[in-house]
Amino acid sequence: EIVLTQSPVTLALSPGEGATLSCRASESVTDDYLAWYQQKPGQPPRLLIYGASRRATGVPDRFSGSGSGTDFTLTISRLEPDDSAVFYCQHYDKSPVTFGQGTKLQIK
Amino acid sequence: QVHLVQSGAEVKQPGASVTLSCRTSGYTFKSHALSWVRQAPGQGLEWVAWINPINTNTKYSERFQGRVTITIDTSASTAYLGLSSLKSEDTAVYYCARGRGGYCSGGSCYSDYWGQGTLVTVSS
Repeated sequence: EIVLTQSPVTLALSPGEGATLSCRASESVTDDYLAWYQQKPGQPPRLLIYGASRRATGVPDRFSGSGSGTDFTLTISRLEPDDSAVFYCQHYDKSPVTFGQGTKLQIK
Repeated sequence: QVHLVQSGAEVKQPGASVTLSCRTSGYTFKSHALSWVRQAPGQGLEWVAWINPINTNTKYSERFQGRVTITIDTSASTAYLGLSSLKSEDTAVYYCARGRGGYCSGGSCYSDYWGQGTLVTVSS
């Protein structure tokens, strides 16, 4: 199965700054079938990005995804306090699908 | 509006079985696969199982070694996850999620809508 490694594990930034979250796959992800989710405490994950760079419905354009092959990035611009959450990447090009271990973003 | 509503929390003893439900609404049930994903306390997300409502094809994580079963009731637009021989390590929040993606009909999906989650606690 594909192992997804996210970095950094935690990230502490201030409102207005930008965040860059990384997701590296142990093998190439076919057709850039890579998604990103945001999860806040006590809530289910929320889909942000699919197809590596396509924003899900209702997701602000402050969130953008990029990358291909084995290296993917989620960029969040103009951070807001409500962006505090854990972010997960997931590949869905083959079974079993797997998730990264998550990056915890704290807005100080 | 798409909704996935899951059954309530369960407390089970080791060795017991549990069945969770996920009632869907707001879309044509057979038009999307459904997945179950779990999250142990303080941990990340782990895929558990998948079903295609069109043909009831299923896929399961090998980690569960035959202890898990996913079924559907199309007339009720509801999916079920059964887990047997429960262990303390099965304590987690279990989510159902609607599947999307080019390979989703074969078992590989991302999820655009999620249920609220069901906490399963396994303890003696």
